[in-house]
This record gives sequence, C-alpha cells and structure tokens, in this order.
Amino acid sequence: AQTVTQSQPEMSVQEAETVTLSCTYDTSESDYYLFWYKQPPSRQMILVIRQEAYKQQNATENRFSVNFQKAAKSFSLKISDSQLGDAAMYFCAYRRVSGTYKYIFGTGTRLKVLA
Amino acid sequence: DSGVTQTPKHLITATGQRVTLRCSPRSGDLSVYWYQQSLDQGLQFLIQYYNGEERAKGNILERFSAQQFPDLHSELNLSSLELGDSALYFCASSPGVSRSYEQYFGPGTRLTVT
Repeated sequence: AQTVTQSQPEMSVQEAETVTLSCTYDTSESDYYLFWYKQPPSRQMILVIRQEAYKQQNATENRFSVNFQKAAKSFSLKISDSQLGDAAMYFCAYRRVSGTYKYIFGTGTRLKVLA
Repeated sequence: DSGVTQTPKHLITATGQRVTLRCSPRSGDLSVYWYQQSLDQGLQFLIQYYNGEERAKGNILERFSAQQFPDLHSELNLSSLELGDSALYFCASSPGVSRSYEQYFGPGTRLTVT
C-alpha cells in the first residue's frame, strides 16, 4: 500500500526568506501524481502545485517549486520570498493513475511565517 | 472558490444521533470523493462515487454510508455517532476517472459530536 510521510510537524520561516518542506512516499508504481495542498485557517484545501511522476522536470508555480527525486521517493516543496499569507498547514498527497483515484495524504506540516 | 459546495458548514449533534452531509460537485463533474480530517491530521479517504455508482471504498465505518443521486449530488450519512466522529468532512469532485483529472475540494463540513 502507498504511504506518504511528512516528518516535519512544524516549520518557521522569516518573511521574505526561503523554506523547504519535506515529503517522502512509498509506492511500487512507476507512474503517479504528487501534490502539495495548502490549508489556511479557513480549512479550504488549496492546490499549490502538482508533479507527474513520468516528467523529470520539477514543477514550479511562481514562488513555489518542488524538488522531485523519484528514485529516492522524495517530493519537497520550496517556498521562496515567504509571505505572511503563506502561513498554513501544508499537505503532501499521492495519487495513482489507474484503479482508484483517491488521494493519500501525509499528516501535514504547519508553516509559521515570522514578520 | 472551487465550485464544489457542501452543506451545512457546521453541525453540532449528540452521541447516538444520525446526520446527513450534502455535497454538490462542480458543474459537469461525474466523480465525487469523501474524505475525513480529524483534528490536525491529514485527510483520510472514505468513499468514491462515479456517475451514481460506488467506485472505491476506503476506511469507511459500517455506521457511515453514502450515495450519489441522478443529479450527481452526493450525501454522506453518519449514524450512531460517537465522539471520535468529530471531524471535518470534505467532498471533492473531478470530471471523471481519467489519469489526468485532479480533484477539487469543497469547503468542508465541520461535525462536532457532544
């Protein structure tokens, strides 16, 4: 069975600095999707970025980028120029490309942004 | 706004009671997923429906059931409620079951069992 692990329950970053959130996963499949979701205090789940496993190029979305290491089964999120609005819970998620399309989520990392 | 709506936003009820959570997917989306998020935990997959048919089941308790109606809205029924059922329940929808479809999450229903 697939699992997703986020080993950092909480992280802090100074405003305008860069922070990296870690995620590792376990799967025997070669093709899958990985996602980072942001959950602010409103509890809404907001998609930050997604990565397709068969694409070697790391995904980027403005200040957000990932470091996808397929062999190491690692999928970290880098937030550059951190802003106060980035403070939230961040969840890493895995999804298969066949069979059931359910998401498997990690336990989350709470990011605090210090002014 | 994802286009997925969930009602009610908040629900407070007593142990032993039964509640129904409702989800309206994005226009045109055929697939609906239900997830449970207990306090400060990740989301746990409960069940998926596609065009009215149950497609996949996760760790859904026997006290919980769901269905998807012809108009594609879905309901999650929780019965014989226990304190541990207090959680945020999310619905998500996607156009279908293609490999490329991502899920769009509703705002969630917060259930408090007292």
